[in-house]
Amino acid sequence: GEDVEQSLFLSVREGDSSVINCTYTDSSSTYLYWYKQEPGAGLQLLTYIFSNMDMKQDQRLTVLLNKKDKHLSLRIADTQTGDSAIYFCAESIRSGTYKYIFGTGTRLKVLA
Amino acid sequence: EAGVAQSPRYKIIEKRQSVAFWCNPISGHATLYWYQQILGQGPKLLIQFQNNGVVDDSQLPKDRFSAERLKGVDSTLKIQPAKLEDSAVYLCASSVGLAPGETQYFGPGTRLLVL
Repeated sequence: GEDVEQSLFLSVREGDSSVINCTYTDSSSTYLYWYKQEPGAGLQLLTYIFSNMDMKQDQRLTVLLNKKDKHLSLRIADTQTGDSAIYFCAESIRSGTYKYIFGTGTRLKVLA
Repeated sequence: EAGVAQSPRYKIIEKRQSVAFWCNPISGHATLYWYQQILGQGPKLLIQFQNNGVVDDSQLPKDRFSAERLKGVDSTLKIQPAKLEDSAVYLCASSVGLAPGETQYFGPGTRLLVL
């Protein structure tokens, strides 16, 4: 089945690290993505990881993938107030064609 | 490079009325997607086009929703007649192609409220 789950809320203090978690069920995932959505805006791609990788680092962002447990995480170092947004993970699966399945989103609130 | 454009940004209609949304993808992007994002949920794919052909419309409620991309560029999504549960943000996205890992770029969305 196709299901992507995330916790709904996360609150951190400015300067701390944030870790947003995601679990997925489809083992045929090829790529996994993290998108950011600010109020009233569309989704902005932050980073992605190929399913045969364990980790990817991109400036303040670190993505960890545990394929055995079907668990994906996004770590944001030195979190800033501008990082406050909703974060969606998504998996790209083969179902006829390749399509994205999105999680429910995690609302990150950064406290000054 | 211009991003994905959508209009209108907001629309309020009464149930049983009709509504149409427009999307202009990034130039050169062959693949276009329409998503429905209900408040508090992640986007759900409604329909996917490759050029002017439909690749996947398995989650499109075809009794009331229709979409077209006649010339393989712009696309319109129509709802007729609208129901209360259609209140959502309708997101358009585009990508270069259909290959795995192709990044999808999203427009700002059209927020629909059905009263």
